[in-house]
Amino acid sequence: GESVGLHLPTLSVQEGDNSIINCAYSNSASDYFIWYKQESGKGPQFIIDIRSNMDKRQGQRVTVLLNKTVKHLSLQIAATQPGDSAVYFCAGTPKFKAAGNKLTFGGGTRVLVKP
Amino acid sequence: ETGVTQTPRHLVMGMTNKKSLKCEQHLGHNAMYWYKQSAKKPLELMFVYSLEERVENNSVPSRFSPECPNSSHLFLHLHTLQPEDSALYLCASSQGVRDTEAFFGQGTRLTVV
Repeated sequence: GESVGLHLPTLSVQEGDNSIINCAYSNSASDYFIWYKQESGKGPQFIIDIRSNMDKRQGQRVTVLLNKTVKHLSLQIAATQPGDSAVYFCAGTPKFKAAGNKLTFGGGTRVLVKP
Repeated sequence: ETGVTQTPRHLVMGMTNKKSLKCEQHLGHNAMYWYKQSAKKPLELMFVYSLEERVENNSVPSRFSPECPNSSHLFLHLHTLQPEDSALYLCASSQGVRDTEAFFGQGTRLTVV
């Protein structure tokens, strides 16, 4: 099966600085990767995704980088704001499978933004 | 609001009780999911339903019984649970089973005593 894991459980960031959250995966057949943000008391919220045929994808203040050679995924948040404080999960899914959406989640990284 | 609503938000039940969790999505999606989020484990997929038909089980214990009467509603029936089943149970939906963008509800915090 697929295994997705995170390097750092907690990341403290000064407001205005950039944040980098890392994720490693084990299944080289993974096709899609997604980053979710989960605020306290809420369910995970989709942030951005990237397909395996891409190295980089940018959204609003967020950038996801994919390094397939070392099976590494990262989420960069520019100019981190207090509202970015949350737990961030990476998730992966294998290529087209008839069994359905098989998102496998990493353990999560807590981001704490200091004013 | 994500368009996925779960009730109740909190539930405390004894090991001999029978209870049900409810999920409703207002997004017109065709696939719905149950996930379990424990304190020390990553999010775990429990069940996947597509157009009311279960397509994924993931070997979840039979004390968890899902029901999907239509594409907008999903239930998780609970009976004779164990304390280790205490967790946040999250419902999600997506346009189809092969869509990676799943929208999550806020979850039901379940405590088994």
